Amino acid sequence: RKEVEQDPGPFNVPEGATVAFNCTYSNSASQSFFWYRQDCRKEPKLLMSVYSSGNEDGRFTAQLNRASQYISLLIRDSKLSDSATYLCVGLNRDDKIIFGKGTRLHILP
Amino acid sequence: DVKVTQSSRYLVKRTGEKVFLECVQDMDHENMFWYRQDPGLGLRLIYFSYDVKMKEKGDIPEGYSVSREKKERFSLILESASTNQTSMYLCATRGGPPSYEQYFGPGTRLTVT
Repeated sequence: RKEVEQDPGPFNVPEGATVAFNCTYSNSASQSFFWYRQDCRKEPKLLMSVYSSGNEDGRFTAQLNRASQYISLLIRDSKLSDSATYLCVGLNRDDKIIFGKGTRLHILP
Repeated sequence: DVKVTQSSRYLVKRTGEKVFLECVQDMDHENMFWYRQDPGLGLRLIYFSYDVKMKEKGDIPEGYSVSREKKERFSLILESASTNQTSMYLCATRGGPPSYEQYFGPGTRLTVT
């Protein structure tokens, strides 16, 4: 099993809809987790950290399920500007950062 | 705000040339990283550094070397560029605990012909 795995998509979602995607991780990538956003031909930027208790930032909610070893990102009331690739990132016990390959999201007008 | 800058946004080099990619950060972070990103392969770690003059191999170090003479500057060197090193190169820094967040530079798109 790869350390961090994501569905590559693309997810094609109408504007205003709610979209969620998951990221699964193996035991080694289990210390801390993050969601990054990457626009086309740009660098990744931190979207949000993922806390054990779950956390929300405006329309975005991140959840961590340690029992099933996945993290999720929920986007409510999606906007055209949410179109991007979303990278799941884990920090393992050796302090190594593990990037998923990303999930592409297209918000349709 | 953390600022990470890279010396070039676009670079075209010939096979066999020596290539220097420079990265500078202004946040006094100890940890710095070089990645390459290719379609379908995601981000792959080339080298990283935890401190001045320290360097560690990442997952794909072959064909690359690095230099960290000052805390704020981390250079990636392609000793003899090859066409399979055509890629997007991203530099990043990382803060310490508890956040561990990474901050990326804008990237250098290198084409080797």
